[in-house]
Amino acid sequence: ETGVTQTPRHLVMGMTNKKSLKCEQHLGHNAMYWYKQSAKKPLELMFVYSLEERVENNSVPSRFSPECPNSSHLFLHLHTLQPEDSALYLCASSQSPGGNSPLHFGNGTRLTVT
Amino acid sequence: DQQVKQNSPSLSVQEGRISILNCDYTNSMFDYFLWYKKYPAEGPTFLISISSIKDKNEDGRFTVFLNKSAKHLSLHIVPSQPGDSAVYFCAASLVHTGANSKLTFGKGITLSVRP
Repeated sequence: ETGVTQTPRHLVMGMTNKKSLKCEQHLGHNAMYWYKQSAKKPLELMFVYSLEERVENNSVPSRFSPECPNSSHLFLHLHTLQPEDSALYLCASSQSPGGNSPLHFGNGTRLTVT
Repeated sequence: DQQVKQNSPSLSVQEGRISILNCDYTNSMFDYFLWYKKYPAEGPTFLISISSIKDKNEDGRFTVFLNKSAKHLSLHIVPSQPGDSAVYFCAASLVHTGANSKLTFGKGITLSVRP
């Protein structure tokens, strides 16, 4: 399998649940990202990992907790979310974390918080 | 405060004609620009990029033009094909800031190419 794979594709969770989003990249890239896409809003960067070290935390609430166990895997742990957190969550990877390194995106997880 | 603006939410063109997608930015320090395309139920895919030291970059049917004085860039697709129907995102970054530079995206524009 190639590219960036995200699971699950769809997730419905209550506000008291704990769930995790998973991302895996098979491109040999050194940087991985979590983005949030809400309706009628630009893509918002949440977290950046470079060689498994978090280099960016874009003022994201603590109810979102990222984990990068190795350069190929990235998780986003979710707990006590709010309905306004419902969105498309996109994982991406790139050769390096620099802004001129094109991102390769997964197909996203459509999250609905009830 | 949106630093990258795609003011037209949608564009419809006839197959075979030119599609021109516009993007404006407010931060004059941006020095690298990218376009991404997104089909429904898929993640965005990288299309073409341009450095601020250039004013044009071409790749097949796709050409990006950069006007730094106007802080404006545009993506030209010619000839347009029905398979080009998608959402197109403009993005900008501050490459000169090094490894911690990040992309700022616009809201996207939906292109529909009519057969």
